[in-house]
Amino acid sequence: RKEVEQDPGPFNVPEGATVAFNCTYSNSASQSFFWYRQDCRKEPKLLMSVYSSGNEDGRFTAQLNRASQYISLLIRDSKLSDSATYLCVVNPSLNYGGSQGNLIFGKGTKLSVKP
Amino acid sequence: GAVVSQHPSWVICKSGTSVKIECRSLDFQATTMFWYRQFPKQSLMLMATSNEGSKATYEQGVEKDKFLINHASLTLSTLTVTSAHPEDSSFYICSAPLGGGDLGPQHFGDGTRLSIL
Repeated sequence: RKEVEQDPGPFNVPEGATVAFNCTYSNSASQSFFWYRQDCRKEPKLLMSVYSSGNEDGRFTAQLNRASQYISLLIRDSKLSDSATYLCVVNPSLNYGGSQGNLIFGKGTKLSVKP
Repeated sequence: GAVVSQHPSWVICKSGTSVKIECRSLDFQATTMFWYRQFPKQSLMLMATSNEGSKATYEQGVEKDKFLINHASLTLSTLTVTSAHPEDSSFYICSAPLGGGDLGPQHFGDGTRLSIL
């Protein structure tokens, strides 16, 4: 099982649509979770952190289900400018065999918002 | 504005050339920085962790003699791709944690697109 799995898409939606992305992670001891967006041939930019209680930032809502090891991102009233690849990112446990503080990235879900 | 600066943005050079990429934290100190690589349509993969004042920690499968990392100060880490070959062509990105400790989000440089002919 891959460490962080996402539906690669692409998701092609009209402007104004609501779209949801899902992500699962394999390491149950993972500590923190994020959604980043990456535009074509650009660096990832932090969209939002994800908290157990769920959190919202404008049109974006992120949820975390630790029991199911599942993270989601909901985008309401999608805009053309939302077109990008959305990366599910996990910061693993401090006991993880890799480096402390490094991030594990999913492959990303591509979103294309059409007029 | 940018909190992590990376230079250069693009490099095109001949096979066998060594290429140096700089990553700077702007207005904050970073004792740790991370170097990632991303091949087309693939996810970002951690190459190594750069530690100020000590040796870098490399991920499995990454050759430390080929990818030299130097964290010379609290605001600068460099990655040198030695004797680069076409298979090293990739998008190299550095990151640094900004607050929140090791479990907080990281901020990325603009990335360096390396093309080896």
